[in-house]
Amino acid sequence: KAGVTQTPRYLIKTRGQQVTLSCSPISGHRSVSWYQQTPGQGLQFLFEYFSETQRNKGNFPGRFSGRQFSNSRSEMNVSTLELGDSALYLCASSFGLDWGNEQYFGPGTRLTVT
Amino acid sequence: DQQVKQNSPSLSVQEGRISILNCDYTNSMFDYFLWYKKYPAEGPTFLISISSIKDKNEDGRFTVFLNKSAKHLSLHIVPSQPGDSAVYFCAAGNTNAGKSTFGDGTTLTVKP
Repeated sequence: KAGVTQTPRYLIKTRGQQVTLSCSPISGHRSVSWYQQTPGQGLQFLFEYFSETQRNKGNFPGRFSGRQFSNSRSEMNVSTLELGDSALYLCASSFGLDWGNEQYFGPGTRLTVT
Repeated sequence: DQQVKQNSPSLSVQEGRISILNCDYTNSMFDYFLWYKKYPAEGPTFLISISSIKDKNEDGRFTVFLNKSAKHLSLHIVPSQPGDSAVYFCAAGNTNAGKSTFGDGTTLTVKP
Protein backbone atom coordinates (compact mmCIF):
# COMPACT_ATOMS: atom_id res chain seq x y z
CA LYS A 1 0.00 0.00 0.00
CA ALA A 2 1.45 3.34 -1.01
CA GLY A 3 2.23 5.81 1.75
CA VAL A 4 1.19 9.42 2.15
CA THR A 5 2.56 11.57 -0.64
CA GLN A 6 3.08 15.30 -0.62
CA THR A 7 3.89 17.62 -3.49
CA PRO A 8 5.96 19.56 -4.04
CA ARG A 9 8.77 18.46 -1.72
CA TYR A 10 10.51 21.84 -1.81
CA LEU A 11 9.22 25.30 -2.57
CA ILE A 12 10.68 28.79 -2.52
CA LYS A 13 8.34 31.76 -2.51
CA THR A 14 8.64 35.47 -1.79
CA ARG A 15 6.74 37.48 0.78
CA GLY A 16 3.23 38.37 -0.25
CA GLN A 17 2.79 35.45 -2.60
CA GLN A 18 0.47 32.56 -2.01
CA VAL A 19 1.18 28.85 -2.11
CA THR A 20 -0.80 25.63 -2.44
CA LEU A 21 0.48 22.34 -1.09
CA SER A 22 -0.99 18.97 -1.95
CA CYS A 23 -1.39 15.74 0.01
CA SER A 24 -2.58 12.32 -1.09
CA PRO A 25 -3.48 10.07 1.86
CA ILE A 26 -3.08 6.33 2.12
CA SER A 27 -5.77 4.57 0.15
CA GLY A 28 -8.84 4.07 2.35
CA HIS A 29 -7.88 6.76 4.83
CA ARG A 30 -10.52 9.44 5.10
CA SER A 31 -8.93 11.77 7.63
CA VAL A 32 -6.17 14.17 6.61
CA SER A 33 -4.43 16.50 9.04
CA TRP A 34 -1.89 19.21 8.39
CA TYR A 35 0.95 20.26 10.69
CA GLN A 36 3.61 22.95 10.62
CA GLN A 37 7.05 22.14 11.95
CA THR A 38 9.53 24.90 12.69
CA PRO A 39 12.84 24.58 14.56
CA GLY A 40 12.17 24.46 18.28
CA GLN A 41 8.40 24.54 17.85
CA GLY A 42 7.58 20.91 17.41
CA LEU A 43 4.57 20.00 15.35
CA GLN A 44 1.85 22.61 15.37
CA PHE A 45 -1.59 21.35 14.34
CA LEU A 46 -3.15 23.34 11.51
CA PHE A 47 -6.41 21.57 10.67
CA GLU A 48 -8.03 18.24 10.01
CA TYR A 49 -10.39 17.22 7.24
CA PHE A 50 -12.71 14.27 7.13
CA SER A 51 -15.16 13.54 4.33
CA GLU A 52 -14.47 16.91 2.71
CA THR A 53 -15.32 18.81 5.91
CA GLN A 54 -12.97 20.61 8.24
CA ARG A 55 -13.44 18.94 11.61
CA ASN A 56 -10.75 20.53 13.76
CA LYS A 57 -8.66 23.66 13.49
CA GLY A 58 -5.53 24.82 15.27
CA ASN A 59 -4.54 28.36 16.26
CA PHE A 60 -3.37 29.71 12.94
CA PRO A 61 -4.47 32.91 11.16
CA GLY A 62 -7.04 32.87 8.41
CA ARG A 63 -4.26 33.08 5.81
CA PHE A 64 -3.98 29.33 6.28
CA SER A 65 -6.79 27.39 4.70
CA GLY A 66 -7.40 23.97 3.28
CA ARG A 67 -9.84 21.70 1.59
CA GLN A 68 -10.43 18.05 0.94
CA PHE A 69 -11.73 16.46 -2.20
CA SER A 70 -14.09 13.52 -2.61
CA ASN A 71 -11.14 11.18 -3.16
CA SER A 72 -9.74 12.30 0.24
CA ARG A 73 -6.84 14.19 -1.34
CA SER A 74 -6.25 17.46 0.44
CA GLU A 75 -4.74 20.81 -0.36
CA MET A 76 -3.46 23.49 1.96
CA ASN A 77 -3.22 27.12 0.93
CA VAL A 78 -1.29 29.95 2.52
CA SER A 79 -1.98 33.44 1.25
CA THR A 80 0.09 36.59 1.70
CA LEU A 81 3.17 34.67 2.74
CA GLU A 82 5.32 35.97 5.57
CA LEU A 83 8.92 35.13 6.39
CA GLY A 84 7.73 33.29 9.49
CA ASP A 85 5.78 30.86 7.34
CA SER A 86 9.03 29.19 6.35
CA ALA A 87 8.67 25.69 7.74
CA LEU A 88 8.20 22.03 7.00
CA TYR A 89 4.52 21.33 6.33
CA LEU A 90 3.50 17.80 7.12
CA CYS A 91 0.38 15.99 6.09
CA ALA A 92 -0.86 12.95 7.99
CA SER A 93 -3.64 10.54 7.23
CA SER A 94 -5.59 8.11 9.36
CA PHE A 95 -8.52 5.84 8.79
CA GLY A 96 -11.08 7.75 10.82
CA LEU A 97 -11.68 10.58 13.21
CA ASP A 98 -11.03 8.50 16.31
CA TRP A 99 -8.07 10.14 17.96
CA GLY A 100 -6.68 6.76 18.90
CA ASN A 101 -5.89 5.97 15.30
CA GLU A 102 -2.20 6.52 14.78
CA GLN A 103 -1.41 8.84 11.95
CA TYR A 104 0.77 8.16 8.95
CA PHE A 105 2.84 11.11 7.89
CA GLY A 106 4.09 12.13 4.48
CA PRO A 107 7.66 13.35 3.94
CA GLY A 108 6.57 16.97 4.09
CA THR A 109 6.91 20.05 1.92
CA ARG A 110 9.79 22.35 2.83
CA LEU A 111 8.60 25.92 2.22
CA THR A 112 11.09 28.76 2.23
CA VAL A 113 9.79 32.31 2.12
CA THR A 114 12.31 34.98 1.12
CA ASP B 1 0.10 27.37 27.00
CA GLN B 2 1.96 24.31 25.80
CA GLN B 3 0.02 21.25 26.88
CA VAL B 4 2.69 18.71 25.97
CA LYS B 5 6.29 19.40 26.94
CA GLN B 6 9.49 17.60 26.22
CA ASN B 7 11.93 19.45 28.41
CA SER B 8 15.09 17.87 27.05
CA PRO B 9 15.84 19.07 23.52
CA SER B 10 18.59 16.49 23.15
CA LEU B 11 19.90 13.27 24.66
CA SER B 12 23.09 11.38 23.96
CA VAL B 13 23.66 7.76 25.03
CA GLN B 14 26.14 5.00 24.31
CA GLU B 15 25.16 2.06 22.14
CA GLY B 16 23.79 -0.78 24.23
CA ARG B 17 22.70 1.45 27.09
CA ILE B 18 19.19 2.55 27.96
CA SER B 19 17.67 5.71 26.45
CA ILE B 20 14.96 7.40 28.48
CA LEU B 21 12.93 10.14 26.83
CA ASN B 22 10.52 12.12 28.96
CA CYS B 23 7.29 13.96 28.31
CA ASP B 24 5.00 15.97 30.59
CA TYR B 25 1.44 17.06 29.91
CA THR B 26 -0.96 19.43 31.61
CA ASN B 27 -4.38 18.50 30.26
CA SER B 28 -6.03 15.94 32.54
CA MET B 29 -8.52 15.14 29.76
CA PHE B 30 -5.83 13.49 27.66
CA ASP B 31 -6.55 9.77 27.50
CA TYR B 32 -4.23 8.60 24.74
CA PHE B 33 -0.53 9.09 24.25
CA LEU B 34 1.79 8.26 21.38
CA TRP B 35 5.45 8.44 20.50
CA TYR B 36 6.66 9.16 16.99
CA LYS B 37 10.17 8.96 15.57
CA LYS B 38 11.42 11.28 12.86
CA TYR B 39 14.50 10.97 10.68
CA PRO B 40 15.77 13.97 8.70
CA ALA B 41 13.94 14.58 5.42
CA GLU B 42 11.18 12.14 6.40
CA GLY B 43 7.82 12.52 8.09
CA PRO B 44 7.33 11.20 11.64
CA THR B 45 6.54 7.52 11.97
CA PHE B 46 4.41 6.01 14.68
CA LEU B 47 6.40 4.12 17.28
CA ILE B 48 4.25 3.12 20.24
CA SER B 49 1.14 4.26 22.08
CA ILE B 50 -0.54 3.88 25.44
CA SER B 51 -4.04 4.62 26.66
CA SER B 52 -4.79 6.11 30.05
CA ILE B 53 -6.16 2.82 31.37
CA LYS B 54 -2.67 1.34 31.28
CA ASP B 55 0.57 2.34 32.92
CA LYS B 56 2.93 0.41 30.67
CA ASN B 57 3.08 -0.78 27.09
CA GLU B 58 5.94 -2.74 25.61
CA ASP B 59 6.92 -3.43 22.02
CA GLY B 60 10.28 -5.08 21.54
CA ARG B 61 13.02 -2.73 22.65
CA PHE B 62 10.54 0.08 23.24
CA THR B 63 8.51 0.55 26.42
CA VAL B 64 6.28 3.48 27.28
CA PHE B 65 5.41 4.21 30.91
CA LEU B 66 2.53 6.44 31.98
CA ASN B 67 2.23 8.08 35.39
CA LYS B 68 -1.20 9.71 35.38
CA SER B 69 -0.90 11.29 38.79
CA ALA B 70 2.29 13.05 37.75
CA LYS B 71 1.02 13.68 34.20
CA HIS B 72 4.24 12.21 32.93
CA LEU B 73 5.17 9.61 30.39
CA SER B 74 8.48 8.23 29.31
CA LEU B 75 9.85 6.13 26.48
CA HIS B 76 12.55 3.59 27.29
CA ILE B 77 14.71 2.11 24.54
CA VAL B 78 16.75 -0.89 25.60
CA PRO B 79 19.30 -1.57 24.27
CA SER B 80 19.87 1.61 22.28
CA GLN B 81 21.24 1.25 18.77
CA PRO B 82 22.85 3.83 16.47
CA GLY B 83 19.84 3.48 14.12
CA ASP B 84 17.66 4.83 16.91
CA SER B 85 19.27 8.25 16.45
CA ALA B 86 16.36 10.49 15.47
CA VAL B 87 13.98 13.11 16.81
CA TYR B 88 11.33 11.64 19.09
CA PHE B 89 7.98 13.37 19.48
CA CYS B 90 5.55 12.77 22.27
CA ALA B 91 1.87 13.34 21.42
CA ALA B 92 -1.25 13.36 23.55
CA GLY B 93 -4.94 13.94 23.16
CA ASN B 94 -8.50 13.02 24.00
CA THR B 95 -10.25 10.30 22.05
CA ASN B 96 -13.34 12.44 21.51
CA ALA B 97 -11.64 15.74 20.83
CA GLY B 98 -9.75 15.47 17.58
CA LYS B 99 -6.15 15.07 16.73
CA SER B 100 -3.18 15.06 19.01
CA THR B 101 -1.02 17.78 20.51
CA PHE B 102 2.68 17.26 19.94
CA GLY B 103 5.68 18.17 22.04
CA ASP B 104 8.70 19.96 20.60
CA GLY B 105 10.69 16.76 20.23
CA THR B 106 13.88 15.36 21.71
CA THR B 107 16.86 14.61 19.49
CA LEU B 108 18.38 11.28 20.49
CA THR B 109 21.94 10.47 19.47
CA VAL B 110 23.19 6.94 20.07
CA LYS B 111 26.97 6.75 19.85
CA PRO B 112 28.63 3.54 18.63
